[in-house]
Amino acid sequence: QKEVEQNSGPLSVPEGAIASLNCTYSDRVSQSFFWYRQYSGKSPELIMSIYSNGDKEDGRFTAQLNKASQYVSLLIRDSQPSDSATYLCAVNDRKKTNAGKSTFGDGTTLTVKP
Amino acid sequence: KAGVTQTPRYLIKTRGQQVTLSCSPISGHRSVSWYQQTPGQGLQFLFEYFSETQRNKGNFPGRFSGRQFSNSRSEMNVSTLELGDSALYLCASSNLAGDLGTQYFGPGTRLTVL
Repeated sequence: QKEVEQNSGPLSVPEGAIASLNCTYSDRVSQSFFWYRQYSGKSPELIMSIYSNGDKEDGRFTAQLNKASQYVSLLIRDSQPSDSATYLCAVNDRKKTNAGKSTFGDGTTLTVKP
Repeated sequence: KAGVTQTPRYLIKTRGQQVTLSCSPISGHRSVSWYQQTPGQGLQFLFEYFSETQRNKGNFPGRFSGRQFSNSRSEMNVSTLELGDSALYLCASSNLAGDLGTQYFGPGTRLTVL
């Protein structure tokens, strides 16, 4: 079992719809959770971080965390064609000594169709 | 603030050669991490440097090495290149204050081994 697993994808949604991306992790010591967006041929770009159970909203993006279920998700509302990218989930134990060592999922490729 | 910079952006080498990649972190960031990204294996952690010391290491052979200088710039070296080393090498920097685990990626170095 991989440490961080994401929807296998690819995921396709129509413009204006809600895209839902899911991630589960196996290590219970994980305390920091991140969503990165990676356009084809580019490097990952941080979209959201979440540390506490519940929802965190930033514009059209909402991250949801459930540590008991070891589950983190990203919702993209009013999806736009520019949201078409691969979304990477990353986890970290939030210790200073490991702040630079995150474990990434394989990513879910999202396509938003006009 | 300027972002993470990496040089060179593209490299073509042949098997058996060695290569050195360079990374300059965001000003004030003292943690520099290196990741390898391939289509088959995803984003895998190589190592992390903090205050000129390797603090964490991923599961890669000893052909992969790195160092960090007093100005936090980091270099990564791969010796005796193999075809399987063809990948996007990403550098990420972290600020160990505030949101621990948050990493900012450079544009990457695309290495092709022929």
